Amino acid sequence: GAGVSQSPSNKVTEKGKDVELRCDPISGHTALYWYRQSLGQGLEFLIYFQGNSAPDKSGLPSDRFSAERTGGSVSTLTIQRTQQEDSAVYLCASSVGSRDWGSNQPQHFGDGTRLSIL
Amino acid sequence: DQQVKQNSPSLSVQEGRISILNCDYTNSMFDYFLWYKKYPAEGPTFLISISSIKDKNEDGRFTVFLNKSAKHLSLHIVPSQPGDSAVYFCAAAGNQFYFGTGTSLTVIP
Repeated sequence: GAGVSQSPSNKVTEKGKDVELRCDPISGHTALYWYRQSLGQGLEFLIYFQGNSAPDKSGLPSDRFSAERTGGSVSTLTIQRTQQEDSAVYLCASSVGSRDWGSNQPQHFGDGTRLSIL
Repeated sequence: DQQVKQNSPSLSVQEGRISILNCDYTNSMFDYFLWYKKYPAEGPTFLISISSIKDKNEDGRFTVFLNKSAKHLSLHIVPSQPGDSAVYFCAAAGNQFYFGTGTSLTVIP
C-alpha cells in the first residue's frame, strides 16, 4: 500500500511486560514521527527521525520508552516494563521533508496501534 | 503546557450550514498551521494548512483563517456535509509539531 502502515493495530498486554510497535513509513519519506493520544488528550509528540541525523527524543516521557529507525525506513517504538498509564493510541507519521523546511510538509499518519495495559 | 488549544470538544451543525472550528495558540513563533481530520479507528489525514504570513487559505469547501494578533485560527466548512463528521485537530509547527485536543464535529442530515 501507499500509506503509512502500523502494526499491530491492537495490543493488549499485562503491566510490566515489554511491547514493540512497528511503523512502515511511506517510501521515500525521510521524516518519521511517533505520537501518542491518550483518552481525551491531543496528540503528544514522542520522537522524530530525520534521515540519518540523531533523533529528537525530547518527547519521550520516560527512559522506559525508546525508538529506533533501521536503514532510514522502518521504525520500532519499544516500551519496557509497561504501566497502565501507557495505555493510548500510538500514531506514526511520515513526511517528505524535514520539519524545518518551512513546515509545509504535511504528515501522513498511520491508523495507529491501540495499546491497552491490564 | 498546552501550546495549542481547542476549547470546544464538540460541535453539532445542520447539513448545509457553516461549521466553524476554532483553535488558539500561545507561541507567536509558529510558522505554519495545519488542520487534520480524523475518523474513528483511523489516523489523522491532512486537510488544509496556512503559512503564518497569510491570513486566509481556501480549498473548496474548507477555508482556514489566521488572526496572528489574537493567536487564533479557525476552520470554516461550508456547506457542511454528513461525511464531514469527524474529529478535527489543529496543529502548529515550530521546532516541532504541536496538536490541539481536537473538536468532534457532527453534521446532522
